[in-house]
Amino acid sequence: AQSVTQLDSQVPVFEEAPVELRCNYSSSVSVYLFWYVQYPNQGLQLLLKYLSGSTLVKGINGFEAEFNKSQTSFHLRKPSVHISDTAEYFCAVSGTNAGGTSYGKLTFGQGTILTVHP
Amino acid sequence: NAGVTQTPKFQVLKTGQSMTLQCAQDMNHNSMYWYRQDPGMGLRLIYYSASEGTTDKGEVPNGYNVSRLNKREFSLRLESAAPSQTSVYFCASPEVSGQGLVGANEQFFGPGTRLTVL
Repeated sequence: AQSVTQLDSQVPVFEEAPVELRCNYSSSVSVYLFWYVQYPNQGLQLLLKYLSGSTLVKGINGFEAEFNKSQTSFHLRKPSVHISDTAEYFCAVSGTNAGGTSYGKLTFGQGTILTVHP
Repeated sequence: NAGVTQTPKFQVLKTGQSMTLQCAQDMNHNSMYWYRQDPGMGLRLIYYSASEGTTDKGEVPNGYNVSRLNKREFSLRLESAAPSQTSVYFCASPEVSGQGLVGANEQFFGPGTRLTVL
């Protein structure tokens, strides 16, 4: 079984400030990790993903995330946020079992609402 | 190329009424998924279809049925709606990966159906 915990339900920040959205996961097998963003009244779209290799992953809109296996974390960061980054952000994990089989099912965290103030 | 489309966008039902949510994808993907999104709970998988002709239960299947009509279409049916099914419903489909890393691929989401059951 796998689970995802997003440690903050809401994060308010001022424009041009840095931000970190925290995500911890638990899984007994190999994982793939994702961050999705949902703008108001829209579906989700992919920000970035970690499959393997370099633990620092860069995504769209200046976001990046670092995979930390020992701490089972995948925190999302942006050095300087804009008003347009106001949205809900979801961390998600997709695992493979010991036989390497997965059907692409994602387990999502509860979501973090990022509000950027002028 | 519309990606993933869903109908209707909004729906209000009375308790006990039935309805079908429609989803279609034009990306020639094998897998399709239905999620529900509730505040503070992230997205939870209702049902999924790994390929045409197959469907399986997800995390919260009770009260729902699905039909994978063909490769393009995957519908979700509420036979007797209950207030607990008030939610936003998303259909999603992962891209096909030539690497064969099932579970590693971006999921493309539809715009959602906002359902209220009175």
